[in-house]
Amino acid sequence: KNQVEQSPQSLIILEGKNCTLQCNYTVSPFSNLRWYKQDTGRGPVSLTIMTFSENTKSNGRYTATLDADTKQSSLHITASQLSDSASYICVVTGGSQGNLIFGKGTKLSVKP
Amino acid sequence: GAGVSQSPSNKVTEKGKDVELRCDPISGHTALYWYRQSLGQGLEFLIYFQGNSAPDKSGLPSDRFSAERTGGSVSTLTIQRTQQEDSAVYLCASSYLPRDSSYNEQFFGPGTRLTVL
Repeated sequence: KNQVEQSPQSLIILEGKNCTLQCNYTVSPFSNLRWYKQDTGRGPVSLTIMTFSENTKSNGRYTATLDADTKQSSLHITASQLSDSASYICVVTGGSQGNLIFGKGTKLSVKP
Repeated sequence: GAGVSQSPSNKVTEKGKDVELRCDPISGHTALYWYRQSLGQGLEFLIYFQGNSAPDKSGLPSDRFSAERTGGSVSTLTIQRTQQEDSAVYLCASSYLPRDSSYNEQFFGPGTRLTVL
C-alpha cells in the first residue's frame, strides 16, 4: 500500500533553534517528493521538490534531503523564526497513475 | 498574476442541503485538483482534471460528490445531500504540467471551510 508517514506529529522549539522533520514512504514506483508548508487557514505552499536522482535541495533556511534507497526524507529548518510555525507536509508522487500521496504533516510551533 | 482563488471561504449549511464550491485556477494551468482536509488528517485526493481528458474521479468518496470544469478553467465541486462527516476544508490546486511530470508544481488555493450542522 502506498503510504507516507511523518514524524514527529508535533514539535515545539524555541526561536533561533534548528529542527529536523522526518518523512518515510512506501510509494512505488516513485516519481518525486515534495515538502509543503501550510500556515493555519491557508493552502499549502511548496518548499522543495526532489526527484529520484536528487539527494538534497535547499530553499533559504529550509534544506530537504532524500535517500531513495531507504525511502526516507528529512526537512531541516535552520535558525527557526516565529513565522516558521506551521504544518509541514511531505508529499510523494508515484504509484501507477502518478497520484500524490500526502503525509498527515508535522505541526511545528516556534516559541519566543 | 493572481493565484488560485476559491469561494466561498466559509460555508455553513444544514444536513441534507446541497452545496457548490468554486475554484478559479491560475490562468494557463491545464491541470486542476480538488482535495479534502479533515481536522487532524492529511489531504485526501478527490478529483483531477487534465485538459480535455476525462477526469480522474477515483477519489470521490460517494456519488453525492461531483465536479465539473467548464471551458478548461473554472471548476465547481458539488456535494448533494450534505452529511456532517462532509465537514472539512476543501482545497483546490492547479498546475501547468500534468501530475505525472517530475517537476509538476501545484499551487493551492486558500480553501473553503465547509461546516455541516
